[in-house]
Amino acid sequence: DAGITQSPRHKVTETGTPVTLRCHQTENHRYMYWYRQDPGHGLRLIHYSYGVKDTDKGEVSDGYSVSRSKTEDFLLTLESATSSQTSVYFCAISESGRPNYGYTFGSGTRLTVV
Amino acid sequence: DQQVKQNSPSLSVQEGRISILNCDYTNSMFDYFLWYKKYPAEGPTFLISISSIKDKNEDGRFTVFLNKSAKHLSLHIVPSQPGDSAVYFCAASDDKIIFGKGTRLHILP
Repeated sequence: DAGITQSPRHKVTETGTPVTLRCHQTENHRYMYWYRQDPGHGLRLIHYSYGVKDTDKGEVSDGYSVSRSKTEDFLLTLESATSSQTSVYFCAISESGRPNYGYTFGSGTRLTVV
Repeated sequence: DQQVKQNSPSLSVQEGRISILNCDYTNSMFDYFLWYKKYPAEGPTFLISISSIKDKNEDGRFTVFLNKSAKHLSLHIVPSQPGDSAVYFCAASDDKIIFGKGTRLHILP
């Protein structure tokens, strides 16, 4: 769909290696979010950003860091990947940060840590 | 502790009939409730929302009902169509959005 792209779409990496996932938006939205989706857990918030260089932790932030140096890009880094971080990662954007109109999600990155 | 609960992992409904998906929550400070739909290999798509000051919101075939005293909301889809087969996530927000685990809806021909 238009406006938000995630890269890569699929990645296999080894335990202990650093991994960076990229979220790119063309909507000029202020708010960006990283979620992970796991069976039996639904979607859980990892980190979010409310502006360039402004980020905060979500409910499952341990082992992850983020950076936002430009409005359009929000990077998620796994400093040292572990098997428990095998998951599908979704980026989302929001113009206002208010939830009433929902967030727009990307198509996801499937990460496998072996 | 789960703040948004979807207790039915899956639901099967005949095409043309009503689908009812249920959701319970624990945090009385939530001010918006939302439903998202997700197809395989795609991101979730926003479906419908309701403010905590309302008890019903309707959009075409989709209606969300909110019962604040019971801390319960439901999504009604009438009539159900084959394209409605997907995973439905209930979500709630007081600041950021918190999602339930999802219910997989199967529409049977």
